[in-house]
Amino acid sequence: QVQLVESGGGLVKPGGSLRLSCAASGIAFTDYYMNWIRQTPGKGLEWVSYISGSGETIYYADSVKGRFTISRDNAKKSLYLQMNSLRAEDTAVYYCARGSSGGSWYGYWGQGTLVTVSS
Amino acid sequence: DIVMTQSPDSLTVSLGERATINCKSSQSVLYSPNNKYSSLAWYQQKPGQPPKLLIYWASTRESGVPDRFSGSGSGTDFTLTISSLQAEDVAVYYCQQYSRIPITFGQGTRVEIK
Repeated sequence: QVQLVESGGGLVKPGGSLRLSCAASGIAFTDYYMNWIRQTPGKGLEWVSYISGSGETIYYADSVKGRFTISRDNAKKSLYLQMNSLRAEDTAVYYCARGSSGGSWYGYWGQGTLVTVSS
Repeated sequence: DIVMTQSPDSLTVSLGERATINCKSSQSVLYSPNNKYSSLAWYQQKPGQPPKLLIYWASTRESGVPDRFSGSGSGTDFTLTISSLQAEDVAVYYCQQYSRIPITFGQGTRVEIK
């Protein structure tokens, strides 16, 4: 069955960096767009970024553009999010989620990893 | 950006009664190639869990989702209906548009038992 497992979250100071990973199993990884979506109590669900199966097409939310970088390693069936210049407002649970073949709805989500940005 | 607005923010319904959640988009989310389908999904989220997909293309039920959940609407106005509320349906429900980047979600509607 499809499984997505995030890792790499933790406590980081403002201005710091963190790299999140998402390991996928049970899917033809290269066939699907992969996404990062975050959730905070105050702002609810916020889409962060997505990357096509080949890695050639990438989009970011304006709130993270220029600070976050999404990437994937298809051989390792892994998705990554490099987060630099972190701010308090980046504090959230970060989920990786698989897009569907017909559009960007999300049938599969990981359990999430908590990122806390605080001094 | 397309803003998704859900109403109400919270809803209290008796067991076995109907629950209705509305979602309005600030722009049409009709799928341009055919103007037949709307790029709108619904999710259910329980505490400590990731969201679970219920509906996509506004009215297509995801495999395994009970048929008491149904979606309707087109263009800018959408509804998620739970025809007969069960105890396990207590959750927060979100709508999401995937018509344009950035993908956006509604603020959520909390459903509780009366």
